[in-house]
Amino acid sequence: DGGITQSPKYLFRKEGQNVTLSCEQNLNHDAMYWYRQDPGQGLRLIYYSQIVNDFQKGDIAEGYSVSREKKESFPLTVTSAQKNPTAFYLCASSTPGLGYEQYFGPGTRLTVT
Amino acid sequence: GQNIDQPTEMTATEGAIVQINCTYQTSGFNGLFWYQQHAGEAPTFLSYNVLDGLEEKGRFSSFLSRSKGYSYLLLKELQMKDSASYLCAVLADRGSTLGRLYFGRGTQLTVWP
Repeated sequence: DGGITQSPKYLFRKEGQNVTLSCEQNLNHDAMYWYRQDPGQGLRLIYYSQIVNDFQKGDIAEGYSVSREKKESFPLTVTSAQKNPTAFYLCASSTPGLGYEQYFGPGTRLTVT
Repeated sequence: GQNIDQPTEMTATEGAIVQINCTYQTSGFNGLFWYQQHAGEAPTFLSYNVLDGLEEKGRFSSFLSRSKGYSYLLLKELQMKDSASYLCAVLADRGSTLGRLYFGRGTQLTVWP
């Protein structure tokens, strides 16, 4: 089955620790995206990548880093510099051939205490 | 900047019809998406409009007026399972942002029995 996987579903970390969230897709999509969602809020774009080895900052990139070494994978690192990391993180992918409809993974809920 | 506006909350009763509005002001436009998101889950695709007019898909319809920067999602024969957040998103159409979606904050719809 084609789709996007994110792991783990729930993640707990202590303040001051870096943490990496996984996102893998087997849809052969060119573009991948990371969003953050807080309670009662819409989706805010953290980073996106349109091709391998290239990525752009979104609206709230501070305190986050990404890499795109493979087409299938777009991991997100939440660094200790991110002041309010507790949130629901969603990964998505899209491709021009499908009108750029974004397909979402199930999300990772990160709690930092 | 990009501005996508939609109401924060709406309520309706089972079997009724509800219309969720979305207005947008963006520097580029290549279509508008509607997504449904149940609490704690990933958004799922509902509709895509790029030309003016109404697109109907079962109980759900979506309308777009590009000249007015306006869209609405119409939900008929409401069911309890339609209680969710509905996200309006505009597809950008400029250079390096091609493929990027700009999301509104979402409209939380509650359906009462």
